Amino acid sequence: DAGITQSPRHKVTETGTPVTLRCHQTENHRYMYWYRQDPGHGLRLIHYSYGVKDTDKGEVSDGYSVSRSKTEDFLLTLESATSSQTSVYFCAISDASGRAGEQFFGPGTRLTVL
Amino acid sequence: SQELEQSPQSLIVQEGKNLTINCTSSKTLYGLYWYKQKYGEGLIFLMMLQKGGEEKSHEKITAKLDEKKQQSSLHITASQPSHAGIYLCGADGNTGKLIFGQGTTLQVKP
Repeated sequence: DAGITQSPRHKVTETGTPVTLRCHQTENHRYMYWYRQDPGHGLRLIHYSYGVKDTDKGEVSDGYSVSRSKTEDFLLTLESATSSQTSVYFCAISDASGRAGEQFFGPGTRLTVL
Repeated sequence: SQELEQSPQSLIVQEGKNLTINCTSSKTLYGLYWYKQKYGEGLIFLMMLQKGGEEKSHEKITAKLDEKKQQSSLHITASQPSHAGIYLCGADGNTGKLIFGQGTTLQVKP
């Protein structure tokens, strides 16, 4: 299995509070992704990174920011959490340039915003 | 934007039965990926299809890509309880990013 971890695994927070989720990899893969999974929507891409300090938006990026200061860490921040951001968040990594789909996924973080 | 539609959305089969899950794209497919997700866990990559007519197998799971129909099918032969989970298709719309279908939930009754 690819060495990819997410922390925390579960979090409950209140509306308006900032939240940061961490994705850590030991595979030295270039590409890292943040997705959210909601019933009826499958997985939707929030942000992704194609290198240290190189990030770009996905299809549902509003309300989220990311940072990647080291190859191994990709942080997802909700500046002011809202109930609509209650979801399961998955991080994924890939080293397959030009082949977007061969990704390895982390175990997920279940976030509840009250 | 590209969309992927999976059918059926959920499926309950008796152990030993065959089943098929379909994934249809609204646009040209440049690469089609199948993933499996066990409840409460992350996704596991199953296989990738890139060329029209391509067919790949892994144990009792076979996937095919019909480029003209912009569709892929995932077929499980002689289903087992270990096959239960959520199957998702993902497509590379030539953007370097994946778009996923909404998933098909499979239950296998012993």
